[in-house]
Amino acid sequence: EPEVTQTPSHQVTQMGQEVILRCVPISNHLYFYWYRQILGQKVEFLVSFYNNEISEKSEIFDDQFSVERPDGSNFTLKIRSTKLEDSAMYFCASRAGQGISGANVLTFGAGSRLTVL
Amino acid sequence: GESVGLHLPTLSVQEGDNSIINCAYSNSASDYFIWYKQESGKGPQFIIDIRSNMDKRQGQRVTVLLNKTVKHLSLQIAATQPGDSAVYFCAENTAGNNRKLIWGLGTSLAVNP
Repeated sequence: EPEVTQTPSHQVTQMGQEVILRCVPISNHLYFYWYRQILGQKVEFLVSFYNNEISEKSEIFDDQFSVERPDGSNFTLKIRSTKLEDSAMYFCASRAGQGISGANVLTFGAGSRLTVL
Repeated sequence: GESVGLHLPTLSVQEGDNSIINCAYSNSASDYFIWYKQESGKGPQFIIDIRSNMDKRQGQRVTVLLNKTVKHLSLQIAATQPGDSAVYFCAENTAGNNRKLIWGLGTSLAVNP
């Protein structure tokens, strides 16, 4: 079964450092998302991406965050200067968007745990 | 503001019993609701969805009920098994192309053998 893959599974970084989290969405999907989940809290929407541009972003997704789809397969989330409160599990998700059954269902990756010290 | 919330943070059931997990939502503009299951250390896994023009949808051992009058969603799991132990999230899926998910807090289901 197709899956969304994320790397790294866990990253520890110092406050102020740049971090890049990588995702490979399902190959025929058109819509891509980043969500985060702080330990013990609910999943929060960060950003959605379609047709090579951001379609929506939340208040959390400030100027320190950026997303990119550099090569048609990877979808990356960059945090420019990490803060302690960025420590969370970051989930990438994708959906087909059209044409098939289940096109609106988001498929999630296993997540990347970010720990900022 | 818009929100999706769960009534019970934890639910403990005996193996073989039926489980019911409830969810309240407040955004009547949405057209689609999804239940996800999250096991420890894993990403959310799709269980079942329902469109707002439906009241009930059944899957394998799971049933989702939607009551738009009181903005209530429930997930019923028949003959609960130890492998069903996880955190269950309801999520509201906004209309339109963006399909952003608005999540509830989650209910932790523990199945006792």
